[in-house]
Amino acid sequence: DTAVSQTPKYLVTQMGNDKSIKCEQNLGHDTMYWYKQDSKKFLKIMFSYNNKELIINETVPNRFSPKSPDKAHLNLHINSLELGDSAVYFCASSQVGEVTQYFGPGTRLLVL
Amino acid sequence: GEDVEQSLFLSVREGDSSVINCTYTDSSSTYLYWYKQEPGAGLQLLTYIFSNMDMKQDQRLTVLLNKKDKHLSLRIADTQTGDSAIYFCAEKASGTYKYIFGTGTRLKVLA
Repeated sequence: DTAVSQTPKYLVTQMGNDKSIKCEQNLGHDTMYWYKQDSKKFLKIMFSYNNKELIINETVPNRFSPKSPDKAHLNLHINSLELGDSAVYFCASSQVGEVTQYFGPGTRLLVL
Repeated sequence: GEDVEQSLFLSVREGDSSVINCTYTDSSSTYLYWYKQEPGAGLQLLTYIFSNMDMKQDQRLTVLLNKKDKHLSLRIADTQTGDSAIYFCAEKASGTYKYIFGTGTRLKVLA
């Protein structure tokens, strides 16, 4: 009964490949997020969707494309992976009108 | 501005109190949070405080907010080795979706 889940947990791939990370939440929340945590543990927001609509799009390369098929899912597709994309990617969800957001366990991406 | 700053490292002895500090720049922040991240894990919400409060206590945790100086602190009483982790403060303005996270403070508790 995990609240926010991500797959895969680990992803090792070659430079130039295309990969996807999936996120699902069973909290009934209407807003979902993708964050990137670099090797220094700095956490930066990338995207946010509210009711399947993109509401936050920070300065992220076009190679990153989020997709929200429904309120409970937010996937992240990355084209032409680069070494600098190696990081931990966290999904989170929240509900408008509530105070907090909840994080998934993270996907550790390593680009070789 | 959207900067949230924290000191990077803190080391304390088991049983002592730990104080982790955070400064933020956005005066419109309505909610301020403390998250804990253990090695290899996601972020876990510890506590939060509304901007109209000065203090909040929750068991071993005490949050102090100085809105004038835009300074937030987290005090952990009787720090245990299990408290060793990275602690992030975060802010959010009312009516927005965006959470701004601090740089994280690595707390090491020595036995």
